[in-house]
Amino acid sequence: DAGVTQTPRHEVAEKGQTIILKCEPVSGHNDLFWYRQTKIQGLELLSYFRSKSLMEDGGAFKDRFKAEMLNSSFSTLKIQPTEPKDSAVYLCASSLENYEQYFGPGTRLTVL
Amino acid sequence: EQQVQQSPASLVLQEAENAELQCSFSIFTNQVQWFYQRPGGRLVSLLYNPSGTKQSGRLTSTTVIKERRSSLHISSSQITDSGTYLCAMERDSGTYQRFGTGTKLQVVP
Repeated sequence: DAGVTQTPRHEVAEKGQTIILKCEPVSGHNDLFWYRQTKIQGLELLSYFRSKSLMEDGGAFKDRFKAEMLNSSFSTLKIQPTEPKDSAVYLCASSLENYEQYFGPGTRLTVL
Repeated sequence: EQQVQQSPASLVLQEAENAELQCSFSIFTNQVQWFYQRPGGRLVSLLYNPSGTKQSGRLTSTTVIKERRSSLHISSSQITDSGTYLCAMERDSGTYQRFGTGTKLQVVP
C-alpha cells in the first residue's frame, strides 16, 4: 500500500508566480491536511479536509493559499502570488478519521 | 500562543544512554501523537497515545490527559536515533492537530 505521495519534491519560483503542489493521500483515508514547515515556526496548518469538505483553512493563510480536494484521492495547494517568505517545506498528511496521521515526503519550495 | 510546548529544545546523549522528552499542552487534549523526523526527511509516526502508557520497541510514551502532558522515553539510545522529535495534540474529534516545535536529539559515540 502506497503512503502519502507529494509532487514535485522541489519547486523554485520567481516572486509573483503561481505554483501548484499536489498530494495523493493513503487510499481509504478520509482526513487530509496541508502544513507548512519552517525552522522558526515549526509546523503550521494550512488546510484540513474531512471527506473532501474543508474543515479548517488555516486563518492567516487564507489570502494567497488555496487548497482543494477534487476527489478523495487527490488534493492540490495553490499559492498565488508567491512571495519569498513562502519559502518552506510543504507537507501533506492523511489519516482515517480521528486516527494517527501519515505524512508525505514534502515539497521544498524556494521563492526567489 | 504556542499551545504545545516541548522540552528540552535540544539534547545530546552518549550512545546507550536513555532520554526523556516532555510535551505539555496549554489546553485540553484527548489525543497525542509522537513523530520523528531526520533533517530533510519525512515525519514518521512513532506512537499514537491517547492516554496511559504505550510502548514500541525502545520507545515508551506516557500521557496523562488530566495533567495535559505526555512524555517519550527512549531507552538505550543509538546514533540512528538522532533527529527531531515532535509531539502533536488533537483537541477533540474533527479538529486538526497542533504541533510542538520539537526536541532535537543528537546521539554521539
